[in-house]
Amino acid sequence: AQRVTQPEKLLSVFKGAPVELKCNYSYSGSPELFWYVQYSRQRLQLLLRHISRESIKGFTADLNKGETSFHLKKPFAQEEDSAMYYCALQVWGAQKLVFGQGTRLTINP
Amino acid sequence: DTGVSQNPRHKITKRGQNVTFRCDPISEHNRLYWYRQTLGQGPEFLTYFQNEAQLEKSRLLSDRFSAERPKGSFSTLEIQRTEQGDSAMYLCASSPAGVATYEQYFGPGTRLTVT
Repeated sequence: AQRVTQPEKLLSVFKGAPVELKCNYSYSGSPELFWYVQYSRQRLQLLLRHISRESIKGFTADLNKGETSFHLKKPFAQEEDSAMYYCALQVWGAQKLVFGQGTRLTINP
Repeated sequence: DTGVSQNPRHKITKRGQNVTFRCDPISEHNRLYWYRQTLGQGPEFLTYFQNEAQLEKSRLLSDRFSAERPKGSFSTLEIQRTEQGDSAMYLCASSPAGVATYEQYFGPGTRLTVT
């Protein structure tokens, strides 16, 4: 079965510091991987997807098939980055998303 | 607001009662999904529709749960004989259909509390 693991439930960093949110997955095929974000009092929304290879709000994520990881990184954290972040996997031929438990990121001033 | 909408936003019910939730997807989206999220966990997939056809259903979905999308537009999720373990946030999402993998757009959710 497919599984997504986010080992950190809570992560706290200072403004301006680098941030890395970890995500590991288990799936034998080629996955589609996503990061979704939920800001306070807002709905869950897509942050970025690996296939796009883009940077959104300064965040990037690289798929490492050897380590089965898709860590989210930002070189300089900002206070508005404080939110709940979920890594999600979509398997080939299916539509459902498999989510990790989420990491609550807090950026301290 | 042209996003996904869900009603009601909150529902408190007594154990054993039936409840029904509604989801209105973004109007041009053919695909509709239901997820359940309990405290401290990520969303868990329940079921998926393409137009009016229910194409995927999780093993999490017991016989007490049923979902419909009769005209390929809005969807309802019904839980019969609710149990305390059904207390959760129920999320609906929609996306366009097609060969490509599209972003899923989530609604605000319906929070169910079973007392």
